[in-house]
Amino acid sequence: AQKVTQAQTEISVVEKEDVTLDCVYETRDTTYYLFWYKQPPSGELVFLIRRNSFDEQNEISGRYSWNFQKSTSSFNFTITASQVVDSAVYFCALSAPYAGNMLTFGGGTRLMVKP
Amino acid sequence: GAVVSQHPSWVICKSGTSVKIECRSLDFQATTMFWYRQFPKQSLMLMATSNEGSKATYEQGVEKDKFLINHASLTLSTLTVTSAHPEDSSFYICLAGPTWETQYFGPGTRLLVL
Repeated sequence: AQKVTQAQTEISVVEKEDVTLDCVYETRDTTYYLFWYKQPPSGELVFLIRRNSFDEQNEISGRYSWNFQKSTSSFNFTITASQVVDSAVYFCALSAPYAGNMLTFGGGTRLMVKP
Repeated sequence: GAVVSQHPSWVICKSGTSVKIECRSLDFQATTMFWYRQFPKQSLMLMATSNEGSKATYEQGVEKDKFLINHASLTLSTLTVTSAHPEDSSFYICLAGPTWETQYFGPGTRLLVL
């Protein structure tokens, strides 16, 4: 079975602070995809990133960066210089052929950025 | 880009009635669509896998007779909540894509059963 764990249920930071959201996963597949989604209060899921299991390069997109480490089965997400608009629930997810290609989600981390 | 739509976006119904939610892929064909449910302050849980032309596959604990799924075409899957009760109130969201590596969420449907 595959599993995604987001140990941090809630994080509160002050604007301009950096914050890292942790994600640890389990899967039997050697080929899989990892994802991060943002869910603002409106509810719609906003796609942030997809990472192939064979690509361990870290990625940076503006204030967002992701650290993928297969050795520790982790795919952490860092927001640099956080802003109030970053306040949302963030989900890490895993998709693998063995599990039927559906997305398995972590429990989510609620990020609150205070002005 | 690829888009997945859902209709309705919001529905309120009386207990005991049935509600149909549609999930459409607008510019690609999807042989498989996934239905998720999210209760307030919880994560997204897979309810069922909808397969075009065949029966849906339900996750453990999801009543197939209560949540009817019909995937009649390569661009449309429907989820019908039969005899809805207040505990069925939730956010229902579908996931579909042209390939397993590339999938998109619909905007979701909020169901409130009174």
